[in-house]
Amino acid sequence: QKEVEQNSGPLSVPEGAIASLNCTYSDRGSQSFFWYRQYSGKSPELIMFIYSNGDKEDGRFTAQLNKASQYVSLLIRDSQPSDSATYLCAVTDNAGNMLTFGGGTRLMVKP
Amino acid sequence: EPEVTQTPSHQVTQMGQEVILRCVPISNHLYFYWYRQILGQKVEFLVSFYNNEISEKSEIFDDQFSVERPDGSNFTLKIRSTKLEDSAMYFCASNRDRQNYGYTFGSGTRLTVV
Repeated sequence: QKEVEQNSGPLSVPEGAIASLNCTYSDRGSQSFFWYRQYSGKSPELIMFIYSNGDKEDGRFTAQLNKASQYVSLLIRDSQPSDSATYLCAVTDNAGNMLTFGGGTRLMVKP
Repeated sequence: EPEVTQTPSHQVTQMGQEVILRCVPISNHLYFYWYRQILGQKVEFLVSFYNNEISEKSEIFDDQFSVERPDGSNFTLKIRSTKLEDSAMYFCASNRDRQNYGYTFGSGTRLTVV
């Protein structure tokens, strides 16, 4: 059974701070890793994906992957109130056919 | 930007009734998916579809569920005899090719079974 685990939160950070969101996964065969943002009642929206160990930056977002530790994280710099949402970690295996999602971490950015 | 369109946005049905959820994937995409999210729970994979057949399905996708691509644009999920526990948000997604760069989800259909 493939598992993706996230702290449900809420994670509360002040506006302008760095938010750090973490995710662990159980399947060592996982190949691709995704971060989605989901506002209440809405569909998941892709933020970033990462395949290789290390860091990947896109604007205010940085994804970090450590396959040896089976750990992936998302850093949000200069957090804004509009970043307040639930952040979903998702992984796929080598076939890449389906996403296994974590339960999400609720982020609250306070003005 | 191209988007995945789902209809209806909200459907209420009586237990035991059949429902069909509709999706229009992005036009040049070849891989199609259904996911569901019960309120307060994880997003769960139901089924993937390619070349007019199911390529993978989860344990949730039992005989009560079926998918179809009846024409060149629509992709449908049918639930034959709805149960109370089928109440959830259902998301359709599509992808251009096999390589998964993270696919695009539709806005979802909220299904309420009463």
